[in-house]
Amino acid sequence: GAVVSQHPSRVICKSGTSVKIECRSLDFQATTMFWYRQFPKQSLMLMATSNEGSKATYEQGVEKDKFLINHASLTLSTLTVTSAHPEDSSFYICSARATQIGTPAGYTFGSGTRLTVV
Amino acid sequence: DAKTTQPPSMDCAEGRAANLPCNHSTISGNEYVYWYRQIHSQGPQYIIHGLKNNETNEMASLIITEDRKSSTLILPHATLRDTAVYYCIVRVDSWGKLQFGAGTQVVVTP
Repeated sequence: GAVVSQHPSRVICKSGTSVKIECRSLDFQATTMFWYRQFPKQSLMLMATSNEGSKATYEQGVEKDKFLINHASLTLSTLTVTSAHPEDSSFYICSARATQIGTPAGYTFGSGTRLTVV
Repeated sequence: DAKTTQPPSMDCAEGRAANLPCNHSTISGNEYVYWYRQIHSQGPQYIIHGLKNNETNEMASLIITEDRKSSTLILPHATLRDTAVYYCIVRVDSWGKLQFGAGTQVVVTP
């Protein structure tokens, strides 16, 4: 089945630094990927929609200059948390939907990245 | 996309069937019912989806009422590994975004 690989799984960074999270579709092409954030004991909150070759679309309240998204190819999207602060500590998850016929109808999710800003 | 309502939690005995309800009374004719689950500290996992007819796969069965205003996800023989948060999502099957509600925390006990 369709697999999405997300790296790193865990990262600890100092306040003020930037962190890049990668999301790769391993066996299918994804023109659209989605980025979510999840705080403890809460549901997933959609942050942005990443479209290959174009600018990402951000949900209301999400700072586009702080959460930089790049979707340079049909298999890779990256999320960069810039000038991270402790309140950015969260679980970040990406998802993708395949474009080819015969792939699963549902969205495939990465395994998530636990970001801790100290 | 239509709003869904799920119970916040439910317990299930190992080996028994788990029946997870979901209400979606405002669903429109072209909206599908999707089910995902999230095991602690992992990404969500696709389970099943349907439009009008009941569906079954290797993981679960999906029963949709005739008026489509509610559905039930059935895990036929729950195991401890089925402990997770289960999300029922209603949406049009397009390239659009997937929004998650609060879900149902299912705890399977020995």
